[in-house]
Amino acid sequence: QVQLVQSGAEVKKPGASVKVSCKASGYTFTSYNMHWVRQAPGQGLEWMGIINPSGGSTGYAQKLQGRVTMTRDTSTNTVYMELSSLRSEDTAVYYCARFGSGKHLDYWGQGTLVTVSS
Amino acid sequence: DIQMTQSPSSLSASVGDRVTITCRASQSITSYLNWYQQKLAKAPKLLIYAASSLQSGVPSRFSGSGSGTDFTLTISSLQPEDFATYYCQQSYISPHTFGQGTRLQIK
Repeated sequence: QVQLVQSGAEVKKPGASVKVSCKASGYTFTSYNMHWVRQAPGQGLEWMGIINPSGGSTGYAQKLQGRVTMTRDTSTNTVYMELSSLRSEDTAVYYCARFGSGKHLDYWGQGTLVTVSS
Repeated sequence: DIQMTQSPSSLSASVGDRVTITCRASQSITSYLNWYQQKLAKAPKLLIYAASSLQSGVPSRFSGSGSGTDFTLTISSLQPEDFATYYCQQSYISPHTFGQGTRLQIK
């Protein structure tokens, strides 16, 4: 069965960076793009970007350009999302989600809480 | 960017009620519209994709319709487990923007 397992919660200081991992299993890793979505406390869902695990190409939300980097490791079927220059507004739960063949997010990770606080 | 606007933002209803949530796109997205359900502190769950296709395992009381810019999610007979927040999302073009969400509460 398809599973996306994310790394654990993080607490970071403003200005620091965080790297969240998402390990995929149960399907051919390179056949489906992966998206990242975040949700600030009490807020809605915000699309962050996409990575193609096959070639590594990426696309990011404009507001995060220059601070976000998505990478993948095909040897471990893992995608990573790194966010730098963290601010308090980056406090959120971060989700990875598989982009299914019907152009929808059909499987989601369990979420990773990133707290930015001095 | 394409803006997605849901209405209402919140809704109170009773078990057994028929409920409709609407989602409007700022430009045509053809049928690239998905609906998700999110319960407290959980990851979103895909309900409907391509505007009207029911995701496997989702009860048939959920249905979706629309194309172009106007879409609806209908729950034909609310069940206790349906009280949650619902989001639409366009997957026509990046960024794949979400609506602001509709919180469905028990009356």
